Amino acid sequence: GAVVSQHPSRVICKSGTSVKIECRSLDFQATTMFWYRQFPKQSLMLMATSNEGSKATYEQGVEKDKFLINHASLTLSTLTVTSAHPEDSSFYICSARVDRDTEAFFGQGTRLTVV
Amino acid sequence: AQSVTQLGSHVSVSEGALVLLRCNYSSSVPPYLFWYVQYPNQGLQLLLKYTTGATLVKGINGFEAEFKKSETSFHLTKPSAHMSDAAEYFCAVRREYGNKLVFGAGTILRVKS
Repeated sequence: GAVVSQHPSRVICKSGTSVKIECRSLDFQATTMFWYRQFPKQSLMLMATSNEGSKATYEQGVEKDKFLINHASLTLSTLTVTSAHPEDSSFYICSARVDRDTEAFFGQGTRLTVV
Repeated sequence: AQSVTQLGSHVSVSEGALVLLRCNYSSSVPPYLFWYVQYPNQGLQLLLKYTTGATLVKGINGFEAEFKKSETSFHLTKPSAHMSDAAEYFCAVRREYGNKLVFGAGTILRVKS
């Protein structure tokens, strides 16, 4: 099956700093990538959808200046959490798909802890 | 708009027993339905999906699910539970050609020896 790789798997950062999470499709070209956030013992909440070469579409309530998404190539999307605060601590998961007719494959997730 | 309800946040079965995880959906258009499994601190792995055609869908690891339009359900079953099945399971729905995958709250499956 298709492989989506997320890096890093775990990151600890200090309050006020920014942290970047990478999502790569290793063996296919992803026209669309999705970023989710998962709180402890809760389901996944879609944060934003990004299409290669265009601006990301953010879900209601997600601050686009706080969570910067870049999808510069067909195999890479990045999520940057700017000026991180402890409440940003969460599990972030990306997924990627070739096109609307295909399923999305998920990365292994990134555990962000802001101290 | 689509939504998903998973009945039971926790399900416990004995090893070798039937697994039944319930999922009901609401959708104003024909849905695409999915079941994913998540192990601790990992991403999601697709177990199976229904798009069109045969309503009984077979997936990986011996799981299957049946799309029942009249009941708006897509329950996940496995005849005989294995210890390695212990994980969290998510049901999800999206529209055909839609972007947004809407997840249920998840069901944690515990398998007792």
